[in-house]
Amino acid sequence: QQQVKQSPQSLIVQKGGISIINCAYENTAFDYFPWYQQFPGKGPALLIAIRPDVSEKKEGRFTISFNKSAKQFSLHIMDSQPGDSATYFCAASIGSARQLTFGSGTQLTVLP
Amino acid sequence: DVKVTQSSRYLVKRTGEKVFLECVQDMDHENMFWYRQDPGLGLRLIYFSYDVKMKEKGDIPEGYSVSREKKERFSLILESASTNQTSMYLCASSSPQQGVGFGPGTRLTVT
Repeated sequence: QQQVKQSPQSLIVQKGGISIINCAYENTAFDYFPWYQQFPGKGPALLIAIRPDVSEKKEGRFTISFNKSAKQFSLHIMDSQPGDSATYFCAASIGSARQLTFGSGTQLTVLP
Repeated sequence: DVKVTQSSRYLVKRTGEKVFLECVQDMDHENMFWYRQDPGLGLRLIYFSYDVKMKEKGDIPEGYSVSREKKERFSLILESASTNQTSMYLCASSSPQQGVGFGPGTRLTVT
């Protein structure tokens, strides 16, 4: 049972464009939704996270939008740069320190 | 930042060997995790531990065991390695303030 579904599997964006990655979850007990960025040969690194009491969180060029009623959340990367090319994972958990359930990942390529 | 180190970046083992993957964190975190990463499947939880000598099964524990004798160290054990355990293994630790932080991973190949 896949509790967190992520799309698209891969995404190609021109430099300066907006990258959008979507996730949907099933377990309504989830209350912490982080996004991780992973470069080749590295472990995933926490990028940004949101809790369901807010609908949007922005940190620099990265924004999470959260729709509790639809059980969906998305990552928006504004002004995408070639250095943003990486694999992005959404995740969900009950509490910020508990075990995470991950989406399947999105490989983002930003063309120069 | 969460600092998690894993004993090996690359490991090649033969089918049937007993394999130990070691993980150490220096943040005094109580929670530690082992995940497995495969293309198209994301990260899947193998085992986790919320305290010394405590362990709980994750989503895919079959063929694995763990040991946590000290707070900072969490070991993953493959009792008899098989080719379908060829994968990237990621260790993580967490706190409520910092969330979950990952080590660099160990790429294990079983031949």
